[in-house]
Amino acid sequence: DVKVTQSSRYLVKRTGEKVFLECVQDMDHENMFWYRQDPGLGLRLIYFSYDVKMKEKGDIPEGYSVSREKKERFSLILESASTNQTSMYLCASSLAQGAKETQYFGPGTRLLVL
Amino acid sequence: AQSVTQLDSQVPVFEEAPVELRCNYSSSVSVYLFWYVQYPNQGLQLLLKYLSGSTLVESINGFEAEFNKSQTSFHLRKPSVHISDTAEYFCAVSDPKTGGFKTIFGAGTRLFVKA
Repeated sequence: DVKVTQSSRYLVKRTGEKVFLECVQDMDHENMFWYRQDPGLGLRLIYFSYDVKMKEKGDIPEGYSVSREKKERFSLILESASTNQTSMYLCASSLAQGAKETQYFGPGTRLLVL
Repeated sequence: AQSVTQLDSQVPVFEEAPVELRCNYSSSVSVYLFWYVQYPNQGLQLLLKYLSGSTLVESINGFEAEFNKSQTSFHLRKPSVHISDTAEYFCAVSDPKTGGFKTIFGAGTRLFVKA
């Protein structure tokens, strides 16, 4: 079974702090994704990566950056956390074969920025 | 741009009753369609997907969805729900031209099954 793990289930940070969210997958997937999930808005793509050191902006990249130094690990960074970044963050991975591939999700990190 | 509309934000239903969760997408070009389910305090997991071929696709736990190209719909149905089906359900569409990097998710439908 594919396993996608996220470093924290819950985080509480203060405005202005730098926040790191870590995601690890164990199935050698090429693609990895970061989404945020907000009630009534569904999932919105922040960034994705299709290979080590490669990254592409999603629909809402402002205020976020990412890092992929190893194939299995994809990090989301909030350079200076703000209250409007309070959300559920979901990491996902998939094979490289394209649009028909299933995405496998981690359990999510619920971030509260005070 | 592609969009996905889930017509109901919440669907309460009694156990053993049938249910339909509605999903419409915007584009009439060839797309791939997915339903994902999110149980409480978990990430999303695939329920079923339509890639090509038969327009009716089924999951292992009794859900089915029918691809209707003319109506650009992919509604999810189950003839008899269980308490354990209580979850949030997301419809998603993926455009082959984007290589799977821009899967668009709907806002979700919360299914609440009552005893």
